[in-house]
Amino acid sequence: AQSVTQLGSHVSVSEGALVLLRCNYSSSVPPYLFWYVQYPNQGLQLLLKYTSAATLVKGINGFEAEFKKSETSFHLTKPSAHMSDAAEYFCAVTYMANQAGTALIFGKGTTLSVSS
Amino acid sequence: GAGVSQSPRYKVAKRGQDVALRCDPISGHVSLFWYQQALGQGPEFLTYFQNEAQLDKSGLPSDRFFAERPEGSVSTLKIQRTQQEDSAVYLCASSNLDGEGRTEAFFGQGTRLTVV
Repeated sequence: AQSVTQLGSHVSVSEGALVLLRCNYSSSVPPYLFWYVQYPNQGLQLLLKYTSAATLVKGINGFEAEFKKSETSFHLTKPSAHMSDAAEYFCAVTYMANQAGTALIFGKGTTLSVSS
Repeated sequence: GAGVSQSPRYKVAKRGQDVALRCDPISGHVSLFWYQQALGQGPEFLTYFQNEAQLDKSGLPSDRFFAERPEGSVSTLKIQRTQQEDSAVYLCASSNLDGEGRTEAFFGQGTRLTVV
């Protein structure tokens, strides 16, 4: 069975500070891992994804994440937070199957607040 | 359209009323997913279609929930005799294989259902 744990339901940083959002996964098969961002009253937007290529994945808006198999982690980072980064962030896991898609399993989310 | 479109964006239903939520996926996408997102939680899988075939409905919480995709494009999620616990945002996502055999899900903005 697969699962995702996001440590910290709420993270607060100052503008310009490092952003670190934690995600640990559990999977019995090689995982595909994703980070999504959700702004208020909006759907989910893909930030980045890991699909067994490079372990350091760069995404949109300056975010990146590193897949660490030994730690079963896929933490999201950004060197310098902007006010516009304030949103809900979800880590998700799935696995590749012989079909056009497999369901994502999401963590409970982390709310990022950015103060000036 | 360019993205996944869901309607209505907001729906208020009286307890016991039937509701129908519509999802218009990205043109040509084979896979379509429905997720339920309760307040303060991550999305949870409801059901999955590959073209018109409903391949997985293991996430539907009760037999009051029914989904269809008769022509392999637009999908409708129907909830009969709504209950207060059905209040949530219902997200639709569609996906297709990219050129390297991997999938990426694109989400609609969701329908916020409030049962009063």
